[in-house]
Amino acid sequence: LAKTTQPISMDSYEGQEVNITCSHNNIATNDYITWYQQFPSQGPRFIIQGYKTKVTNEVASLFIPADRKSSTLSLPRVSLSDTAVYYCLVVLPSGGSYIPTFGRGTSLIVHP
Amino acid sequence: ETGVTQTPRHLVMGMTNKKSLKCEQHLGHNAMYWYKQSAKKPLELMFVYSLEERVENNSVPSRFSPECPNSSHLFLHLHTLQPEDSALYLCASSQLLAGVDEQYFGPGTRLTVT
Repeated sequence: LAKTTQPISMDSYEGQEVNITCSHNNIATNDYITWYQQFPSQGPRFIIQGYKTKVTNEVASLFIPADRKSSTLSLPRVSLSDTAVYYCLVVLPSGGSYIPTFGRGTSLIVHP
Repeated sequence: ETGVTQTPRHLVMGMTNKKSLKCEQHLGHNAMYWYKQSAKKPLELMFVYSLEERVENNSVPSRFSPECPNSSHLFLHLHTLQPEDSALYLCASSQLLAGVDEQYFGPGTRLTVT
């Protein structure tokens, strides 16, 4: 069964760098890997997207190895407001078609 | 504000009721989605519409019926639901289909089936 796997939870402290890895063995060849952030009582919000190698924007970096079977979201110098659930989203084969599939999410808690 | 609105924000319904969830996007996007988010499961894709045509029906029970009258509006009609259908229902939109384009999510409708 094609799926994505990411850690259930992580703890960090303000100012530290946090790396969250998602495994996705059966990722579709031509689609992007996307990461989302979700706060309680809100819908997920786009953080970053990439196809391969490294992508960086103003809030995060995304590292994707050549085989694209995993991806790592890197949050530099986290703050308390980064406490949220982080999801990877990839397109996976399912029943003859390809559908966007979210991971189970990683609950990040940032401590003072 | 993401440009995607959902109503109602909260809904309590009995198993014999019929209700509808509404989603509206103000972004000019071509694709719209319904997701279900339960407490102990990942976000589950339910339906995908692209240019008002349904392109994905991810093995969803027939008690959930989607409707996309135009590219800005998406409905989810509910009837004879079960208590296990209680969840947060999220609507999203994107310019292109997900996988090549970011999705913009609404705040969700918290549904409780009694």
